[in-house]
Amino acid sequence: RKEVEQDPGPFNVPEGATVAFNCTYSNSASQSFFWYRQDCRKEPKLLMSVYSSGNEDGRFTAQLNRASQYISLLIRDSKLSDSATYLCVVNLLGNKLVFGAGTILRVKS
Amino acid sequence: NAGVTQTPKFQVLKTGQSMTLQCAQDMNHNSMYWYRQDPGMGLRLIYYSASEGTTDKGEVPNGYNVSRLNKREFSLRLESAAPSQTSVYFCASRRTSGATDTQYFGPGTRLTVL
Repeated sequence: RKEVEQDPGPFNVPEGATVAFNCTYSNSASQSFFWYRQDCRKEPKLLMSVYSSGNEDGRFTAQLNRASQYISLLIRDSKLSDSATYLCVVNLLGNKLVFGAGTILRVKS
Repeated sequence: NAGVTQTPKFQVLKTGQSMTLQCAQDMNHNSMYWYRQDPGMGLRLIYYSASEGTTDKGEVPNGYNVSRLNKREFSLRLESAAPSQTSVYFCASRRTSGATDTQYFGPGTRLTVL
């Protein structure tokens, strides 16, 4: 079983739609969690950290469920510019971060 | 402030050739990383360096060596390139301060081994 698993998608949604991605992780000792965004042929960039109490940044909401070992990302009012690959990242111990393979989002007009 | 820079951006090698990928960061971060990204597999950690003078193996270290030359620079060397090393290579540095934990990536090196 992979340490971090994501649905590869693609998720094809119209502008203005709400879309949610889940990510599961296998190691219950995982300490911290993140969502990164990667545009085509570009480097990944931090979208947001995921806190135990859940957190929101504008149209983006991240949730953590430690009991079920998954994190989620909700995007409201999708924009064309949200089209990208969303990477789930888990910090297992100290300096090692494990990346999921990513979920592709395509927002269409 | 250039962030993380990588050279070269593109490289084509023949099987058995060697090369070094260069990475530098100007953000005074202690931790630096080398990843490879292959289709459908996400980023996989090759090596990392928690601080100047230390390096540790990641998930896929075979066929690679690294050098943390100083706090700014972390290079990745392929001694004898193989077609299986065709990939996109990303270098990253990491800032951890209080509640902040962010990796900053370079633009990547696209390597093809024939």
